[in-house]
Amino acid sequence: KQEVTQIPAALSVPEGENLVLNCSFTDSAIYNLQWFRQDPGKGLTSLLLIQSSQREQTSGRLNASLDKSSGRSTLYIAASQPGDSATYLCAGTGAGSYQLTFGKGTKLSVIP
Amino acid sequence: DVKVTQSSRYLVKRTGEKVFLECVQDMDHENMFWYRQDPGLGLRLIYFSYDVKMKEKGDIPEGYSVSREKKERFSLILESASTNQTSMYLCASSFSYLNTEAFFGQGTRLTVV
Repeated sequence: KQEVTQIPAALSVPEGENLVLNCSFTDSAIYNLQWFRQDPGKGLTSLLLIQSSQREQTSGRLNASLDKSSGRSTLYIAASQPGDSATYLCAGTGAGSYQLTFGKGTKLSVIP
Repeated sequence: DVKVTQSSRYLVKRTGEKVFLECVQDMDHENMFWYRQDPGLGLRLIYFSYDVKMKEKGDIPEGYSVSREKKERFSLILESASTNQTSMYLCASSFSYLNTEAFFGQGTRLTVV
């Protein structure tokens, strides 16, 4: 069964810093990898989806990459802002599976 | 934009009550999902549906059932609510088997007293 791990569980950075969030998974047969943002008490907002044939996706200050051979994905946030403070979750879909398997998230705090 | 709407943001129910959580999506998605989220445990899949009237158990289906009579609506039913079902419930949908990008509702915080 696919397992997804996100380290660290929490991260605090000063405003303006570039940062990388990490996601690792046990089964390299991952099909899609999706990054989400969750604000306290709210639902999940989809940030980026990397499909099976892709290696990275970019949206604004966000860039996500996927390396299936090493079982890792990273989310790069450029020039962080206090509004980026949230919990970031990654989730993967296995080939032949409908469901997403989630990591437990990294709680990011960007200090003004 | 895809919109997934959950019927309630907050609910308080008594132990033993039958509870219905409703979810509606407006993008003709085939797949719909119910998760619960608890501190330290992350998101866990309760049930999912890949077509009308079709359902599959997820990782923690005990104490729950689901209904999908129409494509756009997926209901989660707590047959007899218990305090250990106090949690954040999240509904999601995705387009198809091949396009699994998931979109989530705003969540329902259920408290069972």
